[in-house]
Amino acid sequence: GAGVSQSPSNKVTEKGKDVELRCDPISGHTALYWYRQSLGQGLEFLIYFQGNSAPDKSGLPSDRFSAERTGGSVSTLTIQRTQQEDSAVYLCASSLWKGGSYNEQFFGPGTRLTVL
Amino acid sequence: ILNVEQSPQSLHVQEGDSTNFTCSFPSSNFYALHWYRWETAKSPEALFVMTLNGDEKKKGRISATLNTKEGYSYLYIKGSQPEDSATYLCASRGGSQGNLIFGKGTKLSVKP
Repeated sequence: GAGVSQSPSNKVTEKGKDVELRCDPISGHTALYWYRQSLGQGLEFLIYFQGNSAPDKSGLPSDRFSAERTGGSVSTLTIQRTQQEDSAVYLCASSLWKGGSYNEQFFGPGTRLTVL
Repeated sequence: ILNVEQSPQSLHVQEGDSTNFTCSFPSSNFYALHWYRWETAKSPEALFVMTLNGDEKKKGRISATLNTKEGYSYLYIKGSQPEDSATYLCASRGGSQGNLIFGKGTKLSVKP
């Protein structure tokens, strides 16, 4: 497809279980971002991948969160031992380096995670 | 750390009304200001990317202005339509690379 895709669209899990969220960015986009929106909050940055550079993990809320990007394309966000406060919409975005900067970020439809 | 603030939090207007929202951001270390439109169950859709002080952009009935010296941007919608109902997000970026810092958004509801 032409846009960013994410799976699953919805995930309900029990507290303490691990979950994996997947993001397929737009082909050729070298930058990939993960954000989340918790209830009543704005979009919160989690992690950012740029080409082959080490990812910027400064937004990850705890060491239960990790992400990888294989082959410079697909990314997986893993949350271990989920807690109820992890419930949120997790959004992925990708961006193309053009004209000396990354400009617009194109977002996927998100994964709604509910931790019971 | 950047703090991006948006107001109002929500807005209810009648079809045909014109409206505007405010986004304020720290003017230091500014690189770009992004506006997005986010409809329920859809992906956030980019409206504008603005970088220059005094910049004005327009897309149909929607326009935006930018003041980087005082750290604010306005989004205007002329003649609101029910299909304009969505959450409007603004986000600031501090460099040519890196993540966006988002405000909490303004939720617009347009009644027919």
